[in-house]
Amino acid sequence: QSVLTQPPSASGTPGQRVTISCSGSTSNIGSNFVYWYQRLPGTAPKLLIHKNNQRPSGVPDRFSGSKSGTSASLAISGLRSEDEADFYCASWDDSLSGPVFGGGTKVTVL
Amino acid sequence: QVQLQESGPGLVKPSQTLSLTCTVSGDPISSGDYYWSWIRQSPGKGPEWIGFIYYTGGADYNPSFKSRVSISVDRPKNQFSLKLNSVTSADTAEYFCARVYRDYPDVYFDSWGQGTLVSVSS
Repeated sequence: QSVLTQPPSASGTPGQRVTISCSGSTSNIGSNFVYWYQRLPGTAPKLLIHKNNQRPSGVPDRFSGSKSGTSASLAISGLRSEDEADFYCASWDDSLSGPVFGGGTKVTVL
Repeated sequence: QVQLQESGPGLVKPSQTLSLTCTVSGDPISSGDYYWSWIRQSPGKGPEWIGFIYYTGGADYNPSFKSRVSISVDRPKNQFSLKLNSVTSADTAEYFCARVYRDYPDVYFDSWGQGTLVSVSS
């Protein structure tokens, strides 16, 4: 079982908005930044969001992150077929003294 | 642009040592601008951090692996390596190497290798 909790799946039709939740605790999300990674089929994971809501250069503004308390969420607006991927949240954990991840959410575009 | 590539055996026998190497191109490990890391993902589970290493050789490990794991760096070859001892079937996973931006509390993996699947089986 992963330290951070995500729903195993999410789906939407093209153009819709999809939101993925990530739940943690005071030792990780509650006191540290949240990061989101996207893994497209057959490719290496890619950093999508850092510092809760910052997009690296090249990441479309359709992707947005937010954090409140010990939870975080990733929103994908204007869903596209190329967004079909596995998405993982991550955060530093003070108890572990290292990063922890969620179990991943598979996004399907219907 | 940095690229990372994992290499090593895809099959390891139980109780033996898993050894993987990550070759980095496009960024000298010895620049000291980043840390370097190993992460694994078992089938059907989320990623799991194994450990970090800095170009000086200093390393931090996930306590879950601490007694079995060693990460080392080879600066002339621009590589870093993972050794995991006494493996069991629970160590069957896809193993990734990654570059780490680490400016606590801002710590994240900004570039990843493609991953290599390692199976533990007799």
